[in-house]
Amino acid sequence: ETGVTQTPRHLVMGMTNKKSLKCEQHLGHNAMYWYKQSAKKPLELMFVYNFKEQTENNSVPSRFSPECPNSSHLFLHLHTLQPEDSALYLCASSQELGTGNQPQHFGDGTRLSIL
Amino acid sequence: GQNIDQPTEMTATEGAIVQINCTYQTSGFNGLFWYQQHAGEAPTFLSYNVLDGLEEKGRFSSFLSRSKGYSYLLLKELQMKDSASYLCAVCEGNYQLIWGAGTKLIIKP
Repeated sequence: ETGVTQTPRHLVMGMTNKKSLKCEQHLGHNAMYWYKQSAKKPLELMFVYNFKEQTENNSVPSRFSPECPNSSHLFLHLHTLQPEDSALYLCASSQELGTGNQPQHFGDGTRLSIL
Repeated sequence: GQNIDQPTEMTATEGAIVQINCTYQTSGFNGLFWYQQHAGEAPTFLSYNVLDGLEEKGRFSSFLSRSKGYSYLLLKELQMKDSASYLCAVCEGNYQLIWGAGTKLIIKP
């Protein structure tokens, strides 16, 4: 039980579809993150939110649009994706930003396949 | 530039000891994390080192040398369930983690 829940676990979509990934954390944390994990590559940080405010957009294409309505929920809206966007998308949370020793707690991820 | 290096894959025998190395070059350093990730599952936090030396947690230990830009994760009394990927990550500033590509550990009976 990780305390961070992601849905759906698997998603197959066409390049013209619009879909959303959802993340919910039950840990009382204030910071939330989206990562992209591709095979045999390091985790790539996409977005960071702290107390619902976006603090980091790591040069992510606009076809990925995050939304953070509150400290417990994080969404990633997807549209007009490309085949190279196929990957595992991981959500994480941590107690707060500003202190380097806070471990991040991850969800199981959404495996996204773009046809 | 920023760089985290760790071996791509390692194989070890059940009951044995294995050491997974991680070397790093980053513009800042605010600690080093090790995570374990089983296939299809979430990465889970194993250890955090910010001072030089060895931190022991049961069968797992993590070592850090800041002057050498080097860390290792030591796994003792290996069990089949330890088959997983092990991710090394350096915290550069307040929260930004720079990740290695992970080491896939295969345990054989």
